[in-house]
Amino acid sequence: DQQVKQNSPSLSVQEGRISILNCDYTNSMFDYFLWYKKYPAEGPTFLISISSIKDKNEDGRFTVFLNKSAKHLSLHIVPSQPGDSAVYFCAASESSNTGKLIFGQGTTLQVKP
Amino acid sequence: DTAVSQTPKYLVTQMGNDKSIKCEQNLGHDTMYWYKQDSKKFLKIMFSYNNKELIINETVPNRFSPKSPDKAHLNLHINSLELGDSAVYFCASSRTEGGWAEAFFGQGTRLTVV
Repeated sequence: DQQVKQNSPSLSVQEGRISILNCDYTNSMFDYFLWYKKYPAEGPTFLISISSIKDKNEDGRFTVFLNKSAKHLSLHIVPSQPGDSAVYFCAASESSNTGKLIFGQGTTLQVKP
Repeated sequence: DTAVSQTPKYLVTQMGNDKSIKCEQNLGHDTMYWYKQDSKKFLKIMFSYNNKELIINETVPNRFSPKSPDKAHLNLHINSLELGDSAVYFCASSRTEGGWAEAFFGQGTRLTVV
């Protein structure tokens, strides 16, 4: 039973345009959400996070939106750059001191010059 | 000065062998993890240690045994390796005091069992 889902395996956008990556979750106990970026042969790198008390968090070109009623979050990258081409993982966690993350299956983003 | 480092990066071994993967973090974090990324690219948690104490053990065969000699190290020993153990194994760490925390990952160890 997959509690975190990224339904789009891949996304292709033009440089300078907006990239929107989506993520859905089923467990209503999740209250902390994260996005990771992963290049081939490297480990996932933390990008941005949001807690359930917020509906938006922004960091430079990256913005994460959380819609708790829909159990949906999205990552917006504006403007997209070729260096953003990577696999993006959505992850979720329950507030506890275990730090356990449940990951989606990832979306491969390709930004074309 | 790598934050989370794991060795080796690549490991090719025969079925039935015993192997270890080492992990070290210099971030001062209190919790360390092992995650497995299978052939379908899913990242799933295997184990978590907080201050050297095992706190998460996710239905992993007992051929897999984590060992944490101190807060900065978490090693993974795998006995009697099987073909299905082939995967990429990631070590990670985080600070979990206070609840939410992002995890920092190592570069991964690609294990191939032949």
